[in-house]
Amino acid sequence: AQSVAQPEDQVNVAEGNPLTVKCTYSVSGNPYLFWYVQYPNRGLQFLLKYITGDNLVKGSYGFEAEFNKSQTSFHLKKPSALVSDSALYFCAVRYSSASKIIFGSGTRLSIRP
Amino acid sequence: DTGVSQNPRHKITKRGQNVTFRCDPISEHNRLYWYRQTLGQGPEFLTYFQNEAQLEKSRLLSDRFSAERPKGSFSTLEIQRTEQGDSAMYLCASSLSPGGANTEAFFGQGTRLTVV
Repeated sequence: AQSVAQPEDQVNVAEGNPLTVKCTYSVSGNPYLFWYVQYPNRGLQFLLKYITGDNLVKGSYGFEAEFNKSQTSFHLKKPSALVSDSALYFCAVRYSSASKIIFGSGTRLSIRP
Repeated sequence: DTGVSQNPRHKITKRGQNVTFRCDPISEHNRLYWYRQTLGQGPEFLTYFQNEAQLEKSRLLSDRFSAERPKGSFSTLEIQRTEQGDSAMYLCASSLSPGGANTEAFFGQGTRLTVV
């Protein structure tokens, strides 16, 4: 079945430290992968995507993500966390040009000062 | 037109009533999606359109739910005979047709439904 998993419900990081939010996807063809962020009482905001090409993609607000085909992962990273990065993060996947976008269950990122 | 617009933002209704939500996508986007999100959970796919054609509807969606996109522009989502379990945030998103580089979906702020 086509799916995406976020194994951590919550990630806690001190401000200034690097952060990683994990995402894995089920194997099926060549996926399009996305990260979205959601602040309280707001819609989802697009952060970055992997379509093809370089495995390391850069996105908004200093975030980047690394596509790893052998591990079927697409982890979100940032070298130095800010308190304002605290939010809910969703990984998403589309498996073909005709298919819907499937979301993970989300990871709450908490950055302490 | 700077983004996806959803109306109303909030809706409180009594159990058993019908409700209808509207979504206006980004103007050049031909693909439109509906999702449902409960507190702290990921968006759950409901249905999506390519222009006016409804291409897929979630098997989890009961017959009380129906969506339309009659002219390939705005879309409506109707819930008939609402139940308390329908209380959630209903999200609409739009995108260009995938296949190119611009395949990401852009979301509206959602309609929060409360069934009392």
